[in-house]
Amino acid sequence: AQSVTQPDIHITVSEGASLELRCNYSYGATPYLFWYVQSPGQGLQLLLKYFSGDTLVQGIKGFEAEFKRSQSSFNLRKPSVHWSDAAEYFCAVGAYGGSQGNLIFGKGTKLSVKP
Amino acid sequence: DAGVIQSPRHEVTEMGQEVTLRCKPISGHDYLFWYRQTMMRGLELLIYFNNNVPIDDSGMPEDRFSAKMPNASFSTLKIQPSEPRDSAVYFCASSLATTGVNTEAFFGQGTRLTVV
Repeated sequence: AQSVTQPDIHITVSEGASLELRCNYSYGATPYLFWYVQSPGQGLQLLLKYFSGDTLVQGIKGFEAEFKRSQSSFNLRKPSVHWSDAAEYFCAVGAYGGSQGNLIFGKGTKLSVKP
Repeated sequence: DAGVIQSPRHEVTEMGQEVTLRCKPISGHDYLFWYRQTMMRGLELLIYFNNNVPIDDSGMPEDRFSAKMPNASFSTLKIQPSEPRDSAVYFCASSLATTGVNTEAFFGQGTRLTVV
């Protein structure tokens, strides 16, 4: 069965520091992989997605993620964090090539940014 | 486009009452999803529709929950009777497709439901 693990529930980084949020997935076939961000009281906004091709994908707001099949990981990175990046981040995996519409989400990682 | 529109944003109701949540997907999107978000369980898919037809409702927790999509621009999620454990944020999302490059779910701002 598909599953997504985000091992870090809460991370605090200083403004200007680099960031890496971890995501591991379990899926038997080639997955679609997503990172979403949720600000307080808001819905989820897509940061980036991976389907195939280049394993390093660029997203909005300066974020990038790297798909590593051997490690079943899709970690999110940003070289320099801004205070406005404080939010909750969700990794998700979806089926590839089928009609299944289900995205399986991780439990999320809450990011706090220190001034 | 205004995005996915959900109403109400907040709902407080008493246990046993009927609750109806509403969603207007993005025009032209063929897929509509209802998710529930809680601290304990995270984001869970309840049901999704394709071209107004329910495809997978295996996530609907019990018979008290029902969802309809009478046309391409409107869906409802109904809980009858409501219970305190239904308290959560309910999100509606829509997408053009579920495969290929158009697989991106656009989320509404959610309805925060509190059942007292």
